[in-house]
Amino acid sequence: DTEVTQTPKHLVMGMTNKKSLKCEQHMGHRAMYWYKQKAKKPPELMFVYSYEKLSINESVPSRFSPECPNSSLLNLHLHALQPEDSALYLCASSPKPHRDSNYEQYFGPGTRLTVT
Amino acid sequence: DQQVKQNSPSLSVQEGRISILNCDYTNSMFDYFLWYKKYPAEGPTFLISISSIKDKNEDGRFTVFLNKSAKHLSLHIVPSQPGDSAVYFCAASAMVTSGSRLTFGEGTQLTVNP
Repeated sequence: DTEVTQTPKHLVMGMTNKKSLKCEQHMGHRAMYWYKQKAKKPPELMFVYSYEKLSINESVPSRFSPECPNSSLLNLHLHALQPEDSALYLCASSPKPHRDSNYEQYFGPGTRLTVT
Repeated sequence: DQQVKQNSPSLSVQEGRISILNCDYTNSMFDYFLWYKKYPAEGPTFLISISSIKDKNEDGRFTVFLNKSAKHLSLHIVPSQPGDSAVYFCAASAMVTSGSRLTFGEGTQLTVNP
């Protein structure tokens, strides 16, 4: 089973709203990632969690706040977003961080976010 | 600075023929390379990978070739099928220097015509 699930599939939010994206994997993976993808562009890394600790923050604005409650779950809390934050938000996981060895990352289907 | 480049934004191939997707990189520290396939409104699906200690890896219809001296890799799909029509992303990582970062190319839209 190489499934990463994400909810919701679609989300429309106003600039003053607070919402959260959820990601879940049950493969025992110890590294989880958030990516942002704009149309016709490659995924851009936002955050990496290794063993439930934040290990990489790619200078993401503080209106995006990640959380890893346990080894299977990853959340992305959203607050006061801008219309330009509208994108596909992808979650991924890998068995271990690449620091230990090379592993492929498995992606979820994404959450299509629209900020109005 | 585009460290991973896919210079062909699109490729059209007849069903049954070979599809060859190309990728070039500039960072000599990259030691692991991956190909992903992406359908619209879905997340990327892992296809095949290759470590820098190898020059070829094969999995069914998919073969990846790595030429380290040229900093070039390619994905061969034989035979191509209409269901292979998707955007293909090349990605690379450098275990020592960049930890868990994958650097993606811009993608190539493959269309396989029946």
